[in-house]
Amino acid sequence: DADVTQTPRNRITKTGKRIMLECSQTKGHDRMYWYRQDPGLGLQLIYYSFDVKDINKGEISDGYSVSRQAQAKFSLSLESAIPNQTALYFCATSDSGYSYNEQFFGPGTRLTVL
Amino acid sequence: KNQVEQSPQSLIILEGKNCTLQCNYTVSPFSNLRWYKQDTGRGPVSLTIMTFSENTKSNGRYTATLDADTKQSSLHITASQLSDSASYICVVSLSDAGNMLTFGGGTRLMVKP
Repeated sequence: DADVTQTPRNRITKTGKRIMLECSQTKGHDRMYWYRQDPGLGLQLIYYSFDVKDINKGEISDGYSVSRQAQAKFSLSLESAIPNQTALYFCATSDSGYSYNEQFFGPGTRLTVL
Repeated sequence: KNQVEQSPQSLIILEGKNCTLQCNYTVSPFSNLRWYKQDTGRGPVSLTIMTFSENTKSNGRYTATLDADTKQSSLHITASQLSDSASYICVVSLSDAGNMLTFGGGTRLMVKP
């Protein structure tokens, strides 16, 4: 979905490096999410934010941190990357005014940690 | 524990044939169930959404069913096309304040000519 963009799209890094993944949206949505996807597994929620400066842990937040300084931007950081953080990462947005919480996903970032 | 299980994990069919994908869930409290299509290298895109009171919903050649009593859903694809090759993900939303989602592992469908 062109309205939710993620950078970079692909990243290869080494163990111990600090990595930041960026997410931007032009949908005007207040809620934003970060997920990771591993082969054969469902998307797992890392962190989510319902508004600027609001940060909530998801089911697998250990080793990750996030920042929401503006409504349109939500960044995910890996302070010290490790190989088992190799995965596909998705950002998503939703509108709290819509009762069914449809989430719109970005194109994903493929991260490889060597 | 809230879980969503999908079957089969993968499926290969010939172009023009029909197929049905299955989803079983144990999510509670239930709000709605959605099927997403995820093309390779892309983010998931919503196909259908069903609430507790709905038992069928169509979107073109895609028809989803929901049995809230048995907590089962299916996605039927009619007259498959090569462009239907993708992963199909069943997602259940909780009726909590945040409408958080529980994702199935997906069914990877390959349509061959």
